[in-house]
Amino acid sequence: GDSVTQMEGPVTLSEEAFLTINCTYTATGYPSLFWYVQYPGEGLQLLLKATKADDKGSNKGFEATYRKETTSFHLEKGSVQVSDSAVYFCALSDLGSGGSNYKLTFGKGTLLTVNP
Amino acid sequence: DAGVIQSPRHEVTEMGQEVTLRCKPISGHDYLFWYRQTMMRGLELLIYFNNNVPIDDSGMPEDRFSAKMPNASFSTLKIQPSEPRDSAVYFCASRPGQGTEAFFGQGTRLTVV
Repeated sequence: GDSVTQMEGPVTLSEEAFLTINCTYTATGYPSLFWYVQYPGEGLQLLLKATKADDKGSNKGFEATYRKETTSFHLEKGSVQVSDSAVYFCALSDLGSGGSNYKLTFGKGTLLTVNP
Repeated sequence: DAGVIQSPRHEVTEMGQEVTLRCKPISGHDYLFWYRQTMMRGLELLIYFNNNVPIDDSGMPEDRFSAKMPNASFSTLKIQPSEPRDSAVYFCASRPGQGTEAFFGQGTRLTVV
């Protein structure tokens, strides 16, 4: 079945540091890939997405590139801010066998804390 | 659009009581999902609907849990009887179609004492 594996947290960085959160996936079809962010006490919000190989999703300084050869979708940001402190989720949506699977599969989430 | 709306935001109930969580998806979205989030298990998919029909309920933990979607603008998740281990944040999400992102509600924090 489909699965998403992302790096264990928590991740603690100083402001302006470089961020990488690794994400790899297993899928039976040709999935769409997503990064979601969850701020304290809130629901998940879409951060960025990519729908085909070599696509780069970007938003708010965050980037992730869909790498089919390595089945990866790592999240990066060149200079994090205190306001980026949140939980980040990698997710995939796969049509699966017969095109009947429309659910989103999430990783376990990575807690990021950015200190001033 | 106001987004996905969940109610209540917080619920505290005693063990054995019935709990009903409510969700209004975004208008025009064909898919609705119920997730549960805990520290131990992370984000778990409980059930999802397509055009008001339950498609996959394999994530529903046991018979105490049930979900309905009587129309395109409303869904409920019911727990009867509730137990302390059901304490979690329950999220509802909707999406317009396959391959698209899901939009999440603010969640309902359930505490069963």
